[in-house]
Amino acid sequence: EAGVVQSPRYKIIEKKQPVAFWCNPISGHNTLYWYLQNLGQGPELLIRYENEEAVDDSQLPKDRFSAERLKGVDSTLKIQPAELGDSAVYLCASSRGSGSYNEQFFGPGTRLTVL
Amino acid sequence: QQQVKQSPQSLIVQKGGIPIINCAYENTAFDYFPWYQQFPGKGPALLIAIRPDVSEKKEGRFTISFNKSAKQFSLHIMDSQPGDSATYFCAASRYSSASKIIFGSGTRLSIRP
Repeated sequence: EAGVVQSPRYKIIEKKQPVAFWCNPISGHNTLYWYLQNLGQGPELLIRYENEEAVDDSQLPKDRFSAERLKGVDSTLKIQPAELGDSAVYLCASSRGSGSYNEQFFGPGTRLTVL
Repeated sequence: QQQVKQSPQSLIVQKGGIPIINCAYENTAFDYFPWYQQFPGKGPALLIAIRPDVSEKKEGRFTISFNKSAKQFSLHIMDSQPGDSATYFCAASRYSSASKIIFGSGTRLSIRP
């Protein structure tokens, strides 16, 4: 079974530029998560989707971040405009359901560097 | 009250030794405590998890000890191997709900040959 796929793996941009990350979850997984992982820190949830509905986006900085999950499968996370402090790894994860007993499977992440 | 505090930040152990990583939580509503293992360039992967109805859980060389009254739990790795070198995160959540998982800050473990 293929794991969670993310692209690109690395991205370097100038500040104030836009950037987008793409995630393809494990087939059959209805729940999709985007996490932010700063260097030397644990992942922090940005947004959780149940199928195509964003059910928890309380930690998403909505002034510059946006996300979508069209057709309840792939998802994109966008930052516009990027700031220096956005440099981090952006992780996507998926699970069969939303309860904690459903194991979350993480992708390898996209490492963003904002110059 | 949502924090999970993890220590130490880094740990070096000789092969065959038993590294111990400690975590503490404050929110008594948490009832699910997973540990994740992360290798460089990879996402975290679930290693082992415990619920507060037991004080210990063992899977292979990995053991979680849980102290509900102290609101603390720890990971022990028996007969540690160089391949166990990774960053380990403890976490806490509410088992049956869709509440988010709160991660600790991580412990970078290095097992010397």
